[in-house]
Amino acid sequence: RKEVEQDPGPFNVPEGATVAFNCTYSNSASQSFFWYRQDCRKEPKLLMSVYSSGNEDGRFTAQLNRASQYISLLIRDSKLSDSATYLCVVNMGGNQFYFGTGTSLTVIP
Amino acid sequence: EAGVAQSPRYKIIEKRQSVAFWCNPISGHATLYWYQQILGQGPKLLIQFQNNGVVDDSQLPKDRFSAERLKGVDSTLKIQPAKLEDSAVYLCASSVGGNSPLHFGNGTRLTVT
Repeated sequence: RKEVEQDPGPFNVPEGATVAFNCTYSNSASQSFFWYRQDCRKEPKLLMSVYSSGNEDGRFTAQLNRASQYISLLIRDSKLSDSATYLCVVNMGGNQFYFGTGTSLTVIP
Repeated sequence: EAGVAQSPRYKIIEKRQSVAFWCNPISGHATLYWYQQILGQGPKLLIQFQNNGVVDDSQLPKDRFSAERLKGVDSTLKIQPAKLEDSAVYLCASSVGGNSPLHFGNGTRLTVT
């Protein structure tokens, strides 16, 4: 079993739609969780950290469910500029970060 | 705050040649990582340093890859000899530690022909 698993998609959604991505992780002792955004031929960039209480940043909401070992990212009112690959990243302790394969999102006009 | 610096941005070499990549992390970041990212996949950890010590190099193909971080600051990753399957983007990242996130450099795109 992979340490971090994501649905690779692709997700093709119209502008204004709401879309959600999920990610599961294998190590119940994992310490911190993040969503990164990666544009084509660019490096991953931090989108948001994921906290146990859930957190929101504008149109983006991240949730963590430790009991079921998954994290989620919700994007509301999708914009064309949201088109990218979204990477789930888990720190499994010892500053060891594991990445999902990424979920591809295309927002269609 | 300056970000993670990497060079070169692009490199094209023939198989069996050698190549080296350089990374300078964000100032004060003790932990430095090298990742390999093949098109369509998530980054795969090659090696993790804490200051100048290796924390994890379990996925580093040690017969051809080597990395060092001699003074606990910048780092080099070398491939010798390169194979076709080494064509990928090599990403360097650093972190201040604890529950802090990774910060990436803009990567080196390697093409082996």
